[in-house]
Amino acid sequence: AQSVTQLDSQVPVFEEAPVELRCNYSSSVSVYLFWYVQYPNQGLQLLLKYLSGSTLVKGINGFEAEFNKSQTSFHLRKPSVHISDTAEYFCAVTPGAGANNLFFGTGTRLTVIP
Amino acid sequence: GAVVSQHPSRVICKSGTSVKIECRSLDFQATTMFWYRQFPKQSLMLMATSNEGSKATYEQGVEKDKFLINHASLTLSTLTVTSAHPEDSSFYICSANRRAGDTEAFFGQGTRLTVV
Repeated sequence: AQSVTQLDSQVPVFEEAPVELRCNYSSSVSVYLFWYVQYPNQGLQLLLKYLSGSTLVKGINGFEAEFNKSQTSFHLRKPSVHISDTAEYFCAVTPGAGANNLFFGTGTRLTVIP
Repeated sequence: GAVVSQHPSRVICKSGTSVKIECRSLDFQATTMFWYRQFPKQSLMLMATSNEGSKATYEQGVEKDKFLINHASLTLSTLTVTSAHPEDSSFYICSANRRAGDTEAFFGQGTRLTVV
């Protein structure tokens, strides 16, 4: 079985400061890893994904994440946040090919303070 | 990109009534759509997989007679919450893949259901 833990439910950060949103997962099989963002009153949008290859993955809007197999982590980072990054961020995993059966974390609310 | 539209975005209904939520893929055909539910401060949980032209596959613990799923066309899946009760109040969200095995799922904007 798969599970995802997002330890931080809320992360406030000042504008132009760096941010890291933490994600840890557990799985008995190899997984694909995803970060989704949800802006107010909108659906989930894919930020980035790790399927294989380079463990550092770059996504949209200046975000990146690093897959660490030994620590079973997939933390999301951005060196300098903007007000527009205020949103809910979800880490998710799926076992094997396809985006079926996505297992989500509980989400992290990022609030960027002017 | 692919667009998935969900309607309504918010609905309030009386206990005992039924509510239908629509999920449409606007610019692609989706043979498979997925329905999730999210309770406050909890993860999105997969409820069921909706297959066009066939019966939905429900996750363990999800009552198929209570949460009726119909996937009558390649662009529309509906979730009907029958005889809704306050404990059914939740955030319901659908997703669809453009192709089988595609690694990216496209999500609707979700429906906030409140049963009073």
